[in-house]
Amino acid sequence: RKEVEQDPGPFNVPEGATVAFNCTYSNSASQSFFWYRQDCRKEPKLLMSVYSSGNEDGRFTAQLNRASQYISLLIRDSKLSDSATYLCVVKLDSGNTPLVFGKGTRLSVIA
Amino acid sequence: DTGVSQDPRHKITKRGQNVTFRCDPISEHNRLYWYRQTLGQGPEFLTYFQNEAQLEKSRLLSDRFSAERPKGSFSTLEIQRTEQGDSAMYLCASSLEARRSEQFFGPGTRLTVL
Repeated sequence: RKEVEQDPGPFNVPEGATVAFNCTYSNSASQSFFWYRQDCRKEPKLLMSVYSSGNEDGRFTAQLNRASQYISLLIRDSKLSDSATYLCVVKLDSGNTPLVFGKGTRLSVIA
Repeated sequence: DTGVSQDPRHKITKRGQNVTFRCDPISEHNRLYWYRQTLGQGPEFLTYFQNEAQLEKSRLLSDRFSAERPKGSFSTLEIQRTEQGDSAMYLCASSLEARRSEQFFGPGTRLTVL
């Protein structure tokens, strides 16, 4: 079983739509959780950290369910510029240990 | 540009040749990480350094791979006797040592082994 599992998509949605991505992780000892965004042929960039209480950054909302070992990302009012691959990422501790990435979920926002 | 830089950006080599990649982290970052990403996959951890000390190596890092960070600044990743399966994007990231410090990624070196 992969440590971090995501639906690879692609998700094709019209502009203005709301889209949700889910991710599950296998190691219950995981402590830190993130969503990274990766544009085609570019490096990953941190989109947002995910906290147990849930957190929101503009049109983006992230949720963590530790009991179910489940992480979600909700994007409201999708823009063309949101088209990218969204990587679910976990770390075993909150220090500077390596990141464990999922395969990513590809999103295409269509005009 | 004060971000993470990597050189070269692209490398094409023949099977059996040796290649070396360089990563220059953000200047005040003492943690440096190497990851490998193949098509359709997320990045996979290879190894990381705190200053000049190599703290962890993944089982993905076979004996043909070696990484160094001799002065605690830039790092090199060498692959000896390259194989076609080594074709991938090699990503470098750096971070501060502080708790919850973000890892910043470089643009990567895309390796193609013919």
